[in-house]
Amino acid sequence: DSGVTQTPKHLITATGQRVTLRCSPRSGDLSVYWYQQSLDQGLQFLIQYYNGEERAKGNILERFSAQQFPDLHSELNLSSLELGDSALYFCASSAYSGSTDTQYFGPGTRLTVL
Amino acid sequence: AQSVAQPEDQVNVAEGNPLTVKCTYSVSGNPYLFWYVQYPNRGLQFLLKYITGDNLVKGSYGFEAEFNKSQTSFHLKKPSALVSDSALYFCAVRGSIGGGYQKVTFGTGTKLQVIP
Repeated sequence: DSGVTQTPKHLITATGQRVTLRCSPRSGDLSVYWYQQSLDQGLQFLIQYYNGEERAKGNILERFSAQQFPDLHSELNLSSLELGDSALYFCASSAYSGSTDTQYFGPGTRLTVL
Repeated sequence: AQSVAQPEDQVNVAEGNPLTVKCTYSVSGNPYLFWYVQYPNRGLQFLLKYITGDNLVKGSYGFEAEFNKSQTSFHLKKPSALVSDSALYFCAVRGSIGGGYQKVTFGTGTKLQVIP
């Protein structure tokens, strides 16, 4: 158990809908990262927050957004969902934001868009 | 742009035999290298990392990895494979040059199958 929690574990929804994925980092970790894992794209970095502020963006679509709250938990919002958004979404956390920091991953949320 | 290559989609090894999972990288500046393992329907678990110092890094579950700067490689090894080692292994790299955030780039993963 990494100490990173994600809810829900599974999410099934329809095209055009909006969903929110939630992540709680390990106790004391200030950075939260979001990743998308799909069969054809592999593991793709989406976005990072550090202590409430956006730190870096990766391959995140404009239909997706995220935020980190004062208690350091984070939410990833996915809107106007398409079939291709079906994937595993992972949250990871690290103590700080340095390049040498180890990221610890949550169990993931499996999103299925029908 | 930084990149990671895991040239083998799958590696099969007999239980008790040594195993190697290959990884090569390309990055500006000094590389920071990581190995993660993913079991079915689970998140990625950290195994080990190379930051600086000794080229042989020891990690969890008896795994180790050897950093080779001239060959830009960071192969994962274990002297004696267990059936329970069967999983998907990811190599990742993070560069050290440039201002701002250096994102982590993951390889495509190698499926390790340990045969009883």
